[in-house]
Amino acid sequence: EIVMTQSPATLSVSPGERATLSCRASQSVSSYLAWYQQKPGQAPRLLLYHTSTRATGVPPRFSSSGSETEFTLTISSLQSEDFAVYYCQQYNIWPRTFGQGTKVEIK
Amino acid sequence: QVQLQESGPGLVKPSETLSLTCTVSGASITDYFWSWIRQPPGKQLEWVGYIYYNVRVKYNPSLESRVTLSVDTAKNQFSLNLRSVTAADTAVYYCLRLGVPTSDRYVDDYWGRGTLVTVSS
Repeated sequence: EIVMTQSPATLSVSPGERATLSCRASQSVSSYLAWYQQKPGQAPRLLLYHTSTRATGVPPRFSSSGSETEFTLTISSLQSEDFAVYYCQQYNIWPRTFGQGTKVEIK
Repeated sequence: QVQLQESGPGLVKPSETLSLTCTVSGASITDYFWSWIRQPPGKQLEWVGYIYYNVRVKYNPSLESRVTLSVDTAKNQFSLNLRSVTAADTAVYYCLRLGVPTSDRYVDDYWGRGTLVTVSS
């Protein structure tokens, strides 16, 4: 199966600052890459899919880029509600696989 | 408004079968792909499998020998059965709908709130 590796494990950011999260795939996933946000006690929420398409209701401060094996999620100006764990997921090859997550915490 | 609700025992004994049901409202079970994902405490998310109307089903190879997904169209529900469970199967189990088309794939749009299943004697 494809292994997804996220970095860093934890990112400390001040509100209003920019956050950049990375995701690497062990083999090409083409553009079949999604990003999720998960808050404590909640189900994950789809943010972006097909690398850069925002899901319904996701604000434009969330963006993503990349292809094949290297991807980046950028949150342009962190709001209080953005502090959470973020996962990448490939859905090119079954089984779909998630990264281990990046926790974005308040600095 | 689409809603998904997981139900089933919160505690299962080792070697027994874990059985969960997801009740869907606001959408027809025959019109979409449906899936289960699990998350062991403090660990990453793992796909269990997906199903379309008892016609197409796909399981994670790591679980394929023990898992069965099924759809009950009369009740608008879909179910997960995982046999011969061990402590490693302790997790929050989420049901979800794969309702967003993207190229030739589907991604999720609605999730249940999740249910914690603990495997312990």
